[in-house]
Amino acid sequence: EAGVTQSPTHLIKTRGQQATLRCSPISGHTSVYWYQQALGLGLQFLLWYDEGEERNRGNFPPRFSGRQFPNYSSELNVNALELEDSALYLCASSLPGQGNQPQHFGDGTRLSIL
Amino acid sequence: SQQGEEDPQALSIQEGENATMNCSYKTSINNLQWYRQNSGRGLVHLILIRSNEREKHSGRLRVTLDTSKKSSSLLITASRAADTASYFCATDDETSYDKVIFGPGTSLSVIP
Repeated sequence: EAGVTQSPTHLIKTRGQQATLRCSPISGHTSVYWYQQALGLGLQFLLWYDEGEERNRGNFPPRFSGRQFPNYSSELNVNALELEDSALYLCASSLPGQGNQPQHFGDGTRLSIL
Repeated sequence: SQQGEEDPQALSIQEGENATMNCSYKTSINNLQWYRQNSGRGLVHLILIRSNEREKHSGRLRVTLDTSKKSSSLLITASRAADTASYFCATDDETSYDKVIFGPGTSLSVIP
């Protein structure tokens, strides 16, 4: 069974640019989550999608947005990039029922803002 | 606001010793999960324990849950160098399944 895949592995941008990160969940998983992990810090919840809908959102500005496609894959878009957006962005997927189900993580996209 | 918080922040032990990490949380929960993260990688799910359970085992891992104290512990027995990683607890909220909140993690170093 293929795990959660994220692309690209690394992404280098400059301030003010826009970044798009992609995630393919495990087959059969309908829920996709996005987290930001800044260096040395824990995971900060960004977004939760299920069945194509945004179900919940963390305490991040609107320039962080995303969507989930009919095949349950997902994109995270970050507009007007700032230096503090440099972080590892992790995607996870699960069966429906967020708190009840283990989340399966990809290895992340490391976003570096110059 | 922080729901779960691991203790200690960092732990260094010799190979073969046991490692214990604790997680405290603030509000009542339905479930608590433990995850491991190797450096630069994604998280790997270890164990999910429900609020009506007190203890669960998985191989060398033992997780306990004390809902009266709002705390959980993860015990790794006979540690190996490969257990070197960060360990996170994740809790939901009793009132909804809407969010799973991860604690800041415990960094475990197992010295060969």
